[in-house]
Order: sequence, then structure tokens, then C-alpha cells
Amino acid sequence: DVVMTQTPVSLSVSLGGQVSISCRSSQSLVHNNGNTYLSWYLQKPGQSPQLLIYKVSNRFSGISDRFSGSGSGTDFTLKISRVEPDDLGVYYCGQGTQYPFTFGSGTKLEIK
Amino acid sequence: EVQLVESGGGLVQPGRSLKLSCLASGFTFSNYGMNWIRQAPGKGLEWVASISSSSSYIYYADTVKGRFTISRDNAKNTLYLQMTSLRSEDTALYYCARQGTRIFDYWGQGVMVTVSS
Repeated sequence: DVVMTQTPVSLSVSLGGQVSISCRSSQSLVHNNGNTYLSWYLQKPGQSPQLLIYKVSNRFSGISDRFSGSGSGTDFTLKISRVEPDDLGVYYCGQGTQYPFTFGSGTKLEIK
Repeated sequence: EVQLVESGGGLVQPGRSLKLSCLASGFTFSNYGMNWIRQAPGKGLEWVASISSSSSYIYYADTVKGRFTISRDNAKNTLYLQMTSLRSEDTALYYCARQGTRIFDYWGQGVMVTVSS
């Protein structure tokens, strides 16, 4: 199984600041078809997870351009710029390249 | 608007069975693969099972293989998860999620399953 390792476990940021979350996979996430199925999800307090980014760097419908994804192979990053109060929650990376689909353990974002 | 509404959760004794349902609306259900994903209290996300749009392809996590069965009824726009031989470690909030191309693009609100004597 592909193990997804996220760092840091938690971070605190001031409003208007910028943060980066790292996600590493134990195997390359490049699929046989050439696509890399690395996604990012945000779970706000008391809510279901929501899709932010798919295939490394594509923002899902309605997602602010303050969220950006990058990376390749086994190393990926989510950047959040101009942090707003509504951004707080737990961020998960997830891979859909091979079954079983797996998620990172999450990064909790707190607002200072 | 895509909506996924889970039901069927509750308190069940170890070794017993439970069947979850997920009613979908706002999209053509028969065109999409579907998934169950769970989250134990205070823990992260764990993918449980996937089923393709026509039920031709089904996958399970090793932790539930042989005990859980995912199925769907496209005429009723409903996804199911039959859970048997339940264990305390199956206690979790179970989410139904639509599968885009290898992503989970829409999630339900979740249904709680508690396995305890």
C-alpha cells in the first residue's frame, strides 16, 4: 500500500500569512496513463471533507486561487496564501493512483 | 446541487451486522463510481470500499475485506454498505463519496456507526 506522510502535524498562522503543507508518498504517484492522482482535502470543524486540489495542481470548482498545489513523483506541497479565518481545519492529502486509496494523517491549521 | 445523504448507522454489538445507505441526488448517479470512507473518532480518513458505475469493479480495504460488501442500485440512486462481523475498531463516521477521476469530489455528511457491547 502507498503510505502518505504529511508534515507538519499542525501549524499556526496569522491572518493574511502564508503556509505550506508537505505530503510525501512511499511510491511514485504517476499512474500508467501518465497522470498523477494526488489530491488535497480540507475538513473544517464539524464538517465533511471537501476537495480542494486534484491531480497535484488543479483547483476544484469554486476553490479560491489562494490555494495552490505543486510537486511530482513522491513529493507534493499545498500552499495557502493570504490565510483567512475560514481556512482553519485539517488538511489531508490523498492518492488515487492505486488501490487501496490512501490518505495522509492530516495537518491541523490554526489561526493565531 | 450534488447531495449525498447517508443513513442506517447506530449502536450495534460486536459480531452483529448493519447496513448503511447513501441516497444520491443532483447528478446522474449511474455515471459515477462511488466510495465509502470512514473516520474513527478523533482520527484521520480511511478509504473503505469503491464500486464502479455499473458495479463491474469493486475494491475493498484489507481491514474490511470479507466482512463488508459494497453495492448499488442505480434505479434507486442509492449506494449501500453491508457490514457483518462488526468489531470495535469499525466504530467510525462513515462517509459516502462520489468518485470523480480517482478523486472524491463530493462527500455526504456522514453516518455514525458505534460497535460496542
